[in-house]
Amino acid sequence: EAQVTQNPRYLITVTGKKLTVTCSQNMNHEYMSWYRQDPGLGLRQIYYSMNVEVTDKGDVPEGYKVSRKEKRNFPLILESPSPNQTSLYFCASSSLGQVGKYNEQFFGPGTRLTVL
Amino acid sequence: DAKTTQPTSMDCAEGRAANLPCNHSTISGNEYVYWYRQIHSQGPQYIIHGLKNNETNEMASLIITEDRKSSTLILPHATLRDTAVYYCIVRVYFGNEKLTFGTGTRLTIIP
Repeated sequence: EAQVTQNPRYLITVTGKKLTVTCSQNMNHEYMSWYRQDPGLGLRQIYYSMNVEVTDKGDVPEGYKVSRKEKRNFPLILESPSPNQTSLYFCASSSLGQVGKYNEQFFGPGTRLTVL
Repeated sequence: DAKTTQPTSMDCAEGRAANLPCNHSTISGNEYVYWYRQIHSQGPQYIIHGLKNNETNEMASLIITEDRKSSTLILPHATLRDTAVYYCIVRVYFGNEKLTFGTGTRLTIIP
């Protein structure tokens, strides 16, 4: 089954304790992205990657790191989490695909992170 | 990007057609209308998109008015699993750029 997986799905941690949220897709997609979703603020992009070893900042990259060493994986790293990073996080992927064809983004199930 | 206006919430009886409106009166000629939905705290899901012609796929139909200032997403036979927040997005044709959702319409399917 074509899918984007994220782990963990739920995480409660404390301020300053480094954590990684993994994201993996099995669709051979070039493009991957991380979003956070907060009440009243909608979906905001954190980082994205157009291909292996190519990453770029989205709208809210502060406090986050990413890496893209393999095509299928795009982990999100919080080196020193703070309470304002408490949020619902989504990973998404899509094909860069054919010119003129809309390449829909496929989203993972989400990771609900609480930083105390 | 053109601004969109959607009702905050709607109800629809199970088995009936759900018609979700979206106003985008400032849409420009090269902007498309996209619809995504998000079932309670799950990842958003693409539904359909269109430019000016009506579009239909296995999930829904999209009706765009002739002046393109508004559109309607139609779920022909709504089921309880269609209960979700539906987002209308107007953007220049894009493939992999970030998605930005507004507040959307919370659709509740009533048994």
